[in-house]
Amino acid sequence: ETGVTQTPRHLVMGMTNKKSLKCEQHLGHNAMYWYKQSAKKPLELMFVYSLEERVENNSVPSRFSPECPNSSHLFLHLHTLQPEDSALYLCASSQDEGGGAYEQYFGPGTRLTVT
Amino acid sequence: GQNIDQPTEMTATEGAIVQINCTYQTSGFNGLFWYQQHAGEAPTFLSYNVLDGLEEKGRFSSFLSRSKGYSYLLLKELQMKDSASYLCAVRDSDYKLSFGAGTTVTVRA
Repeated sequence: ETGVTQTPRHLVMGMTNKKSLKCEQHLGHNAMYWYKQSAKKPLELMFVYSLEERVENNSVPSRFSPECPNSSHLFLHLHTLQPEDSALYLCASSQDEGGGAYEQYFGPGTRLTVT
Repeated sequence: GQNIDQPTEMTATEGAIVQINCTYQTSGFNGLFWYQQHAGEAPTFLSYNVLDGLEEKGRFSSFLSRSKGYSYLLLKELQMKDSASYLCAVRDSDYKLSFGAGTTVTVRA
């Protein structure tokens, strides 16, 4: 247990569905992240929230929509996805204070399959 | 953009030593991290280097040479539970992490 939880752990959805992924961190951190992990490829940073404001949006298609209502919760809203969006979606959190070894703590991920 | 290279796979025997190399070319440098990820699980933090030299943490050590854009993770006295993927990640001047594709280490009895 890393102090970061994600639900659901597995999700199968059709291309016309709308679903949301949820992440919660119990570590008192002030920054949260969404990553996409595809087989044999590096983790791709999707979004970064610091102090509940989005500070990074890595050219992610608009069919992915993040939401950060407070410093402990992060959502990823999904709509009209494509089969190539099937991947493991990882949430992470860290304490960011402008320096130091503030490593990121990852959740277990949501395995998403788009049919 | 960032370019981080590490071998795809390595195999070693229980009790042996394995060294996983990572080379990087990034826009700015603010530290290098190593993470371990078991199949189906979250990546977990192993080590952090920001200055040149060796950091030792029990059976695991990590080395950094900033001038060469090079790091390695050394796993000693390998155990079966060390079979996992090892991810090299570099933090740039904007404090953003970029990851390599990971090295899958298989430990054989």
